Amino acid sequence: GAGVSQSPRYKVAKRGQDVALRCDPISGHVSLFWYQQALGQGPEFLTYFQNEAQLDKSGLPSDRFFAERPEGSVSTLKIQRTQQEDSAVYLCASRLAGDGEQFFGPGTRLTVL
Amino acid sequence: AQSVAQPEDQVNVAEGNPLTVKCTYSVSGNPYLFWYVQYPNRGLQFLLKYITGDNLVKGSYGFEAEFNKSQTSFHLKKPSALVSDSALYFCAVRDRAGGSYIPTFGRGTSLIVHP
Repeated sequence: GAGVSQSPRYKVAKRGQDVALRCDPISGHVSLFWYQQALGQGPEFLTYFQNEAQLDKSGLPSDRFFAERPEGSVSTLKIQRTQQEDSAVYLCASRLAGDGEQFFGPGTRLTVL
Repeated sequence: AQSVAQPEDQVNVAEGNPLTVKCTYSVSGNPYLFWYVQYPNRGLQFLLKYITGDNLVKGSYGFEAEFNKSQTSFHLKKPSALVSDSALYFCAVRDRAGGSYIPTFGRGTSLIVHP
């Protein structure tokens, strides 16, 4: 399909483990966003890329969170030393142009035990 | 700064009746406004957007929304609800002023359509 894909769809980690979440945006989409969605809440912004440049990472909750998009396509969100409060759904979205809508992936549900 | 409010956590409506899901916003300049729908265990799916032009915007699945600048609102509407419309609905705003690339999402409104 031509949509945004994310992997894994579900991840269970023990507290203290590192995790890596992958996002494959729609081909040709310049902008890529990561969001964190807690149960019953709206998406909360984490970070934004334009091509390979990370233009805004103001939403990353701590220095344990790191995101990259080295070739301007696939992106990885890494969380080091996971904590229980990191449990959430992590959504990736891509956008073609500045005025346009975002296309969201299905999300990765992270559970930290 | 930009913000968006969805004052209702849940909206209940009978199938066949009109539905309204409310959204108000705050921006410094002029807004870009969006509605998305989220079904269980799925990502958000775009419904419609207001960029400029006509205040009444028509979108997917028979939904429409009216941009009201004086009331800073962008309520989502549908003339006749279907049970399959039951889902979580999110309003989002992006302020054109300041060159922000990042939309702010509301908390979401759960729409329940009863048969």
